Amino acid sequence: EDKVVQSPLSLVVHEGDTVTLNCSYEVTNFRSLLWYKQEKKAPTFLFMLTSSGIEKKSGRLSSILDKKELFSILNITATQTGDSAVYLCAAKDDKIIFGKGTRLHILP
Amino acid sequence: DAMVIQNPRYQVTQFGKPVTLSCSQTLNHNVMYWYQQKSSQAPKLLFHYYDKDFNNEADTPDNFQSRRPNTSFCFLDIRSPGLGDAAMYLCATSRELSGSLPDFGPGTRLTVT
Repeated sequence: EDKVVQSPLSLVVHEGDTVTLNCSYEVTNFRSLLWYKQEKKAPTFLFMLTSSGIEKKSGRLSSILDKKELFSILNITATQTGDSAVYLCAAKDDKIIFGKGTRLHILP
Repeated sequence: DAMVIQNPRYQVTQFGKPVTLSCSQTLNHNVMYWYQQKSSQAPKLLFHYYDKDFNNEADTPDNFQSRRPNTSFCFLDIRSPGLGDAAMYLCATSRELSGSLPDFGPGTRLTVT
């Protein structure tokens, strides 16, 4: 059965800290790995990763994929209270399989 | 301009009373997806259409049906909503099944009383 597992499920840090969110996947016809940020609305796209070892970066956020180990991480540096959200990882074959998400809370 | 539109944004229905949620897109995408997301859970795929071809997930209850009368519109029908069907329902579209990033609508939050 295809699955996506995220860890930790919940994380509380102070503003300014750096966090690393983990995502592992087992998907038969894997095509790409997606990261989304979800506040109280539909998920907002962050990154799509298809190639191993190539870091994608957007401001304080970065992500990388390891297709050998079936693993991805999302890093957020110098966290701010506005980063508080659920971060969803999803693996895409013909459909999108979501992990349960990591609920990140940034304390001021 | 909104490209994936869901109406209504909030829907309240009574236990057992049929309800229809609507999704429309201006992107001319081939694929339309319906996801159910319960509180503090990941979105769960219910079904998707590739053009007119309907693909139901194996564990989607029969209570959930869908219609896609044309490229732009897709409907989610819940025949007899139960309290456990209260959730956010997300519509998403993509140009193709593979290699295309999905665009999500804002969701419809369904409450069952």
